[in-house]
Amino acid sequence: ETGVTQTPRHLVMGMTNKKSLKCEQHLGHNAMYWYKQSAKKPLELMFVYNFKEQTENNSVPSRFSPECPNSSHLFLHLHTLQPEDSALYLCASSQAMEGGSEQYFGPGTRLTVT
Amino acid sequence: GQNIDQPTEMTATEGAIVQINCTYQTSGFNGLFWYQQHAGEAPTFLSYNVLDGLEEKGRFSSFLSRSKGYSYLLLKELQMKDSASYLCAVTDSNYQLIWGAGTKLIIKP
Repeated sequence: ETGVTQTPRHLVMGMTNKKSLKCEQHLGHNAMYWYKQSAKKPLELMFVYNFKEQTENNSVPSRFSPECPNSSHLFLHLHTLQPEDSALYLCASSQAMEGGSEQYFGPGTRLTVT
Repeated sequence: GQNIDQPTEMTATEGAIVQINCTYQTSGFNGLFWYQQHAGEAPTFLSYNVLDGLEEKGRFSSFLSRSKGYSYLLLKELQMKDSASYLCAVTDSNYQLIWGAGTKLIIKP
């Protein structure tokens, strides 16, 4: 148990669907992250929230929309995705953004866009 | 641009020692992390280096040379369960983590 949970674990959606990924951390951390992990590529940081405020948006297409209602919950809303968006989406949290704060990862959502 | 380089894949024998190298070019440096990721699972934290030198933690050790932009992860007394990908990540001047693509380590009996 990493203290970070993600649902659903697997998701298959068509390009015209709308779905949401959910992440919850039970660690009392202040920073939360969304990553995209594709095969044989580095982890791609998508969004960062620090104390519920978005601090980073790494040129992510608008078909991905994050939401952070409180410091324990993070959502990724998906709409009109493309097949190349198929990947593992990982949520992580850390005590702080600065210094040696290790990130704790959730198990990920395996997304397939058909 | 920012870049992290590590070998794509390595093979080692159970009971042996293996060293996984990582070189980096980043805008600023605020620490280097190593994570382990088993297939189909989330990455888990292994070590953190911010000063030069060797940090030892059981069978795993991590080394850092900031002047050379270089780190390595040393795994001793390899066990089959050590088969995983090992990710190197550097915190840049904006405290963003820059990730390498990972090194897949295969352990053979």
